[in-house]
Amino acid sequence: QLVESGGALVQPGGSLRLSCAASGFVFSSQYMTWVRQAPGKGLVSVAKINPDGSEQYYMDSVKGRFSISRDNAESSLYLQLNSLRVEDTAVYYCALEKWWTFECWGQGTLVTVSS
Amino acid sequence: QPALTQPPSASGSPGQSVTISCTGASRDIGGRYYISWYQQHPGKAPKLIISEVSKRPSGVPDRFSGSKSGNTASLTVSGLQSEDEADYYCGSYVGGDRVVFGGGTKLTVL
Repeated sequence: QLVESGGALVQPGGSLRLSCAASGFVFSSQYMTWVRQAPGKGLVSVAKINPDGSEQYYMDSVKGRFSISRDNAESSLYLQLNSLRVEDTAVYYCALEKWWTFECWGQGTLVTVSS
Repeated sequence: QPALTQPPSASGSPGQSVTISCTGASRDIGGRYYISWYQQHPGKAPKLIISEVSKRPSGVPDRFSGSKSGNTASLTVSGLQSEDEADYYCGSYVGGDRVVFGGGTKLTVL
């Protein structure tokens, strides 16, 4: 099970930290990903982290602004969002990724960037 | 612009079969085995229904099937039921540890 939290209304240029609490599987052995979905739009993989947290991948438009991290002792995944833009408005899902397939998804948390 | 092309809508009557296509290129669909399909009901999170082109996770009805030919993957829903009405997204590994999705197809059960 994956449960996200931390979504909110924030002004452009602001920051936010999203959290995802994992249970029911060996979190420390799994790749984890944040996927976002803008209102009425499709799915986009935003950031990915390897099991021990030593490697991260980011989509081009968030490089340098977003940071993915994890705490395996707490079975938690995080996404730090800085310098937020209106176009970052979306529901953010955390997902368990195995062999480039998203096997399990959280319920999502809404980030709204607006003045 | 999504990397993979899906029809925006599809429809069928209860009991009928419907096929949703997902068209890419040789760098993704055509050259990859890790192609997946996701079902998303309104206001809900996506759910994996097909992995590795044609594998069904435990609990997914066998009415859902996947296939691939050339640069096009397909999802077929047989024996349509009202609860199948949802958005469906395809996804494909494209190399460089990246996954891309299609734009989604809204399936309506008439």
